Amino acid sequence: SYVLTQPPSVSVAPGKTARITCGGNNIGSKSVHWYQQKPGQAPVLVIYYDSDRPSGIPERFSGSNSGNTATLTISRVEAGDEADYYCQVWDSSSDHPVVFGGGTKLTVL
Amino acid sequence: QVQLQESGPGLVKPSETLSLTCAVSGYSISSGYYWGWIRQPPGKGLEWIGSIYHSGSTYYNPSLKSRVTISVDTSKNQFSLKLSSVTAADTAVYYCARDANGSGSYYPLWGQGTLVTVSS
Repeated sequence: SYVLTQPPSVSVAPGKTARITCGGNNIGSKSVHWYQQKPGQAPVLVIYYDSDRPSGIPERFSGSNSGNTATLTISRVEAGDEADYYCQVWDSSSDHPVVFGGGTKLTVL
Repeated sequence: QVQLQESGPGLVKPSETLSLTCAVSGYSISSGYYWGWIRQPPGKGLEWIGSIYHSGSTYYNPSLKSRVTISVDTSKNQFSLKLSSVTAADTAVYYCARDANGSGSYYPLWGQGTLVTVSS
């Protein structure tokens, strides 16, 4: 099945930009979705179809996808952005179509 | 407003069958969408278990397929998960979720999750 690779952790100072990557073989040909999960809570979708934001998600959250890497970018990081972030793809040709990355812990310094 | 709520035993013995139900409110489950189950072992990442279309067609994670059954009960507006022959490795928070557009591609709507512990 398809494998998504995320860095275990990313640290960023408040007000700076955080970039969380999601690597996969030719991931640029697939649609990537991103979820934010805070402790004790269910995941929340923050980006879908590579770069679209659901209503209620701040414009500070953006996404891109090309080649073998998709990226979630969080601008002007706030303390409240500290959470685990998961990428996910849909591989319609696979018998394992819904795949999650291992997750990245974003720490706001 | 659509809401999902998981329910079921919080403790299951090894080798037995884990059974969970996801009650859906605010939307008729028979009207559309994919309905899925995702789990998260303590301190670990998310793992997709499987999904069912409103019509009843299913697809499962191949690593769990031999032990998983997902079904829909339209009369009660709920869908269910059964996982047989459980071990301690099946201890996790189990989430039910609904996809966005009937394609099964991503899941914007989740229940709060329920912790299931496998232990004797």
